[in-house]
Amino acid sequence: EDQVTQSPEALRLQEGESSSLNCSYTVSGLRGLFWYRQDPGKGPEFLFTLYSAGEEKEKERLKATLTKKESFLHITAPKPEDSATYLCAVPNAGGTSYGKLTFGQGTILTVHP
Amino acid sequence: NAGVTQTPKFQVLKTGQSMTLQCAQDMNHNSMYWYRQDPGMGLRLIYYSASEGTTDKGEVPNGYNVSRLNKREFSLRLESAAPSQTSVYFCASSAPGLAVDEQFFGPGTRLTVL
Repeated sequence: EDQVTQSPEALRLQEGESSSLNCSYTVSGLRGLFWYRQDPGKGPEFLFTLYSAGEEKEKERLKATLTKKESFLHITAPKPEDSATYLCAVPNAGGTSYGKLTFGQGTILTVHP
Repeated sequence: NAGVTQTPKFQVLKTGQSMTLQCAQDMNHNSMYWYRQDPGMGLRLIYYSASEGTTDKGEVPNGYNVSRLNKREFSLRLESAAPSQTSVYFCASSAPGLAVDEQFFGPGTRLTVL
């Protein structure tokens, strides 16, 4: 059974204090890993797709990396507007193209000014 | 483009009442999904539709039915609502033709069953 575990559950940072969020996964034949951002009262917003170990992607203060067992979302010099819940997800094994996803429970990030 | 839209945004039901949650997308996506999100449980797939005319059960389908009305619209029906169905419901869609498809989500429907 596919499993996705995110840590920590909650993270409080001061503005400018860099840190990383972790997403570890157990899946047969990883076909990709997604990162989403979710603001309170809203739907998840797509951030990144990573396809293979060693791949990195960046967007503003965020950088996502992928290894064979886990993914990290690095946040450099965060600002209060980066406060949100960050979700990772992996497509279920099965080789189909419609991409059923297994989500982690998310990390709630709070950045204080 | 509006992306994925959902109606209603909020709903309160009494136990045993029925209702339909509506979802539409304007991105010409083939695949559509219904999730529920509960504290401590994360997002869980209820039903999905790989393409127009097909639907399949996800992880937590009991108590729900779906209809893929056309390529744009995918509705979720609660025939006899129960308090355990109090949740936030999200619809999502994804593009065809890729091995791994990122999903795009709607704003959600917050449902309370009393």
